[in-house]
Amino acid sequence: DQQVKQNSPSLSVQEGRISILNCDYTNSMFDYFLWYKKYPAEGPTFLISISSIKDKNEDGRFTVFLNKSAKHLSLHIVPSQPGDSAVYFCAASDWGKGGKLIFGQGTELSVKP
Amino acid sequence: EAGVAQSPRYKIIEKRQSVAFWCNPISGHATLYWYQQILGQGPKLLIQFQNNGVVDDSQLPKDRFSAERLKGVDSTLKIQPAKLEDSAVYLCASSLSQPSANFGPGTRLTVT
Repeated sequence: DQQVKQNSPSLSVQEGRISILNCDYTNSMFDYFLWYKKYPAEGPTFLISISSIKDKNEDGRFTVFLNKSAKHLSLHIVPSQPGDSAVYFCAASDWGKGGKLIFGQGTELSVKP
Repeated sequence: EAGVAQSPRYKIIEKRQSVAFWCNPISGHATLYWYQQILGQGPKLLIQFQNNGVVDDSQLPKDRFSAERLKGVDSTLKIQPAKLEDSAVYLCASSLSQPSANFGPGTRLTVT
């Protein structure tokens, strides 16, 4: 039962352009959503989050959008840089009921110079 | 602030052998998680501790996996006996009181 899904295993973008990573979820009880970035041989690093009471959160070049009715969130990176090349994981949490993070399968982003 | 520490970083064992992983969370973090990440998949929660009590171990294969967190600080995860399908990266994470968690570098286990 895959409660959090990232349907695109990979994405290739030109440097300077926008990267859009997508994530879908099925559990309407999730109240917190996060994006993690992972480089090879390292653990995931927290990037940005959004609570279910918001529909947008912005941090520098990174913006996360949440569409609760569609059970969909996306991460926008503008402008994309070669250093952004990594695997991005979407995660969801029912923070009010214990807080475990449930992860998607990940999307490998490649930003080409 | 020191990050989450894990050891060893890499381990190769034969099937049916035992293995143990160690995690030292960020100081003061009450919540500790162990995740299993199989190649090409996202991390899957194995067990969650709050201080030294278990909050969630519903996906821990208890016939072969065990974990403990003595004194609410360090934690160990053990596999006995190991199977080929246990080959994965085992990630430890900790958090204070927020939804995000800090992850360690992981232990890559190869079972041959």
